[in-house]
Amino acid sequence: GQQVMQIPQYQHVQEGEDFTTYCNSSTTLSNIQWYKQRPGGHPVFLIQLVKSGEVKKQKRLTFQFGEAKKNSSLHITATQTTDVGTYFCAGQTSGGYQKVTFGIGTKLQVIP
Amino acid sequence: GAVVSQHPSWVICKSGTSVKIECRSLDFQATTMFWYRQFPKQSLMLMATSNEGSKATYEQGVEKDKFLINHASLTLSTLTVTSAHPEDSSFYICSAMTGGWSNTGELFFGEGSRLTVL
Repeated sequence: GQQVMQIPQYQHVQEGEDFTTYCNSSTTLSNIQWYKQRPGGHPVFLIQLVKSGEVKKQKRLTFQFGEAKKNSSLHITATQTTDVGTYFCAGQTSGGYQKVTFGIGTKLQVIP
Repeated sequence: GAVVSQHPSWVICKSGTSVKIECRSLDFQATTMFWYRQFPKQSLMLMATSNEGSKATYEQGVEKDKFLINHASLTLSTLTVTSAHPEDSSFYICSAMTGGWSNTGELFFGEGSRLTVL
């Protein structure tokens, strides 16, 4: 079945440093979504990428979707303590089933 | 964004009892709802996909008779953990997807329900 691998699993950064998490799917995706889960909370939708090679920005966050639509990355510039949480990618394949497969998540810790 | 409400947030039950968790879409119609299980420090594991008016589709390894899912209306799906055992203790999260022309593929998550089976 479809697998979505995400690395790293944990990342500690000093406040102000950059952070990147990578996602790789075993199959071609119709789209990929990114979610953020704060400690004790539930996942919150950040963005969806649909087009091959797509790049989207949200303030300090940059999201990329690979040309082959099998990998994606989330980059945070100049991290802040408010960025703390676990970032999940979720790959969705085409078809009526619309199944979404989550990566294991990257837990980000920002040291002030 | 759309709001999904999940109830209860916390539940403690004795081994052998059944527990029902509700997932409601408050301001939109959800033709598809998903149920996940999340173990500590792990990812969301999809348990089943629930479509309104039809039987749920379970992922491999998930016992249908143990985790009963009912999606009786476009705004409500329920997950019942039957004859719960301590190993069923976990964080259960539902998510909903809008249907029709408004479907962006985005998932809206409930707050989650933490189940502890004694």
